Amino acid sequence: GAGVSQTPSNKVTEKGKYVELRCDPISGHTALYWYRQSLGQGPEFLIYFQGTGAADDSGLPNDRFFAVRPEGSVSTLKIQRTERGDSAMYLCASSLDRNYEQYFGPGTRLTVT
Amino acid sequence: QKEVEQDPGPLSVPEGAIVSLNCTYSNSAFQYFMWYRQYSRKGPELLMYTYSSGNKEDGRFTAQVDKSSKYISLFIRDSQPSDSATYLCAMSPGSGGSNYKLTFGKGTLLTVNP
Repeated sequence: GAGVSQTPSNKVTEKGKYVELRCDPISGHTALYWYRQSLGQGPEFLIYFQGTGAADDSGLPNDRFFAVRPEGSVSTLKIQRTERGDSAMYLCASSLDRNYEQYFGPGTRLTVT
Repeated sequence: QKEVEQDPGPLSVPEGAIVSLNCTYSNSAFQYFMWYRQYSRKGPELLMYTYSSGNKEDGRFTAQVDKSSKYISLFIRDSQPSDSATYLCAMSPGSGGSNYKLTFGKGTLLTVNP
């Protein structure tokens, strides 16, 4: 079946701009996660959704980052006033219920110039 | 000290070699242990997961967990050029806690030469 999909695959934006990154999880997966992976590092947890609600947003670095999942399926990660330090690969994962067995999408590579 | 330590390599081996990849960790709450494979500029792919201590085998891959030493390993037998990738270990706490919150190592870059 179809895996996790993410769009766009690449995003280049100027410092100070607003960006939205989209994730479409595996059908039937109720849990959705966002991670950020900087070059040469492992992914770092940002936020976890169970259904429509953000059950744990403790990994979001600051209030410029926000994520939604209004209908319990597709999720959007929103970054306001982007900074060069936000440049990274943003990964989305999903799982059957809250679970360590997570399946990742291909990621969105964000570059802030 | 980071919660999960992983030697980033790079590791280069000839085709057919046995590869050993390792991680150490400091958080005794970790109960679930995963290995992911990540090809360049792609998302991580779940290879194997184990719960608590012990061994698990899947084809050419064997995962080992030694909780007493806080040490986990992934062995790849008869390595192939297509195994060339970055291998990430990941861990999470047990049920009832934040078992969804994966903590990753930095990843080890493996190259298998034909």
